[in-house]
Amino acid sequence: DVKVTQSSRYLVKRTGEKVFLECVQDMDHENMFWYRQDPGLGLRLIYFSYDVKMKEKGDIPEGYSVSREKKERFSLILESASTNQTSMYLCASSFSNQAGELFFGEGSRLTVL
Amino acid sequence: AQSVTQLDSQVPVFEEAPVELRCNYSSSVSVYLFWYVQYPNQGLQLLLKYLSGSTLVKGINGFEAEFNKSQTSFHLRKPSVHISDTAEYFCAVSEGQAGAGTALIFGKGTTLSVSS
Repeated sequence: DVKVTQSSRYLVKRTGEKVFLECVQDMDHENMFWYRQDPGLGLRLIYFSYDVKMKEKGDIPEGYSVSREKKERFSLILESASTNQTSMYLCASSFSNQAGELFFGEGSRLTVL
Repeated sequence: AQSVTQLDSQVPVFEEAPVELRCNYSSSVSVYLFWYVQYPNQGLQLLLKYLSGSTLVKGINGFEAEFNKSQTSFHLRKPSVHISDTAEYFCAVSEGQAGAGTALIFGKGTTLSVSS
């Protein structure tokens, strides 16, 4: 089975802290994605990557950056966390030739105080 | 630009009743369409997908969806629901081949609540 593992299920951080959310997949997928999930807003794409060291902005990249140094790992970075970044963060991965078949991690719930 | 509209934010139904969750999309080109399900405290998983061919698509757990190009819809149906179908359901769209450089766009979700 494909496994997408997010390093932390729950995090509590303070405003201004630097936050790292880590995601690892074990199926050699080319594509990796970070989404943010908020009640009533569904999933919104923050960034995605289709190859090592490649990244593309999604719909809401402001306040976030990403890193993909290895194929299996995709990190989301909040340089200076703010309260409006309190949310559920979902990582996903897929093969480049399998249209839209994403495999999701269980999510990381971040609370910024 | 493509977009997805899920017409109902919440759908309450009784066990063994039929259900339809509605999804409309907008796109000027050919699309691929998907339904994902999220059970409480879990990540999303693929329920079914339309890429091409037959407009009636069958998925896991007895769900099916019909692609209607003229009405730009992709409604999800199940003839008889169970308590265990209680979850949030997301419709998603991708323009053309979702390969390098593309990503899915999700709707806002529909919460299906099944009671006995």
